[in-house]
Amino acid sequence: QLQLQESGPGLVKPSETLSLTCTVSGGSISSSTYYWGWIRQPPGKGLEWIGNIYYSETTYYKPSLKSRVTISVDTSKNQFSLKLSSVTAADTAVYFCARMYKKVIGGVERAEFDYWGQGTLVTVSS
Amino acid sequence: SYDLTQPRSVSVSPGQTASITCSGDNLGNKYVCWYQQKPGQSPVLVIYQDTKRPSGIPERFSGSNFGSTATLTISGTQPMDEADYYCQAWDTSTATYVFGTGTKVTVL
Repeated sequence: QLQLQESGPGLVKPSETLSLTCTVSGGSISSSTYYWGWIRQPPGKGLEWIGNIYYSETTYYKPSLKSRVTISVDTSKNQFSLKLSSVTAADTAVYFCARMYKKVIGGVERAEFDYWGQGTLVTVSS
Repeated sequence: SYDLTQPRSVSVSPGQTASITCSGDNLGNKYVCWYQQKPGQSPVLVIYQDTKRPSGIPERFSGSNFGSTATLTISGTQPMDEADYYCQAWDTSTATYVFGTGTKVTVL
């Protein structure tokens, strides 16, 4: 059974960089079938996609976050990571890592997150 | 930006049918999936590719997508179905995976 586990500091100071790692177990992050993504959820609010990475290190970021986000992958450790720079209180959220299945069917992209980590709360505060 | 709009809340009696809508421009031309999220838990995929159910998801969950509206239907709703539900689609024009605003389903 595939499992994903987020890890990293739960408290980050404003203007600093948020860093999280997702460790994948029960499957290989190098699978050509899947992408790996980060999603966040501010307390009491909805889900927001941050970005995805493929094992080949191809990345896709939400345009409004692109200037502050870096997602990387370490296939030797079966991990991928998120860095979000210049954080403010608005970045306080539960951060989830997840696996995405993506396929183009008849020119239309099918994409869904089929496995999720349990999420980790990151609070931005001095 | 591309937005997916859902009703804030839906109430349903046990055993009845709950319908949750997700509206967006030309949504019928995209593939939509749906997630269920219970308090303090991670989202769970309940519908993908508009109408398909992942293994382990009960048959009472079904989906459709026509025109500008996708719909998640829960037939014979059970108290365990009380949760937040989110739709999601890929928007080519903004190169963004977009989540809907979320709907809280209450089983009264």
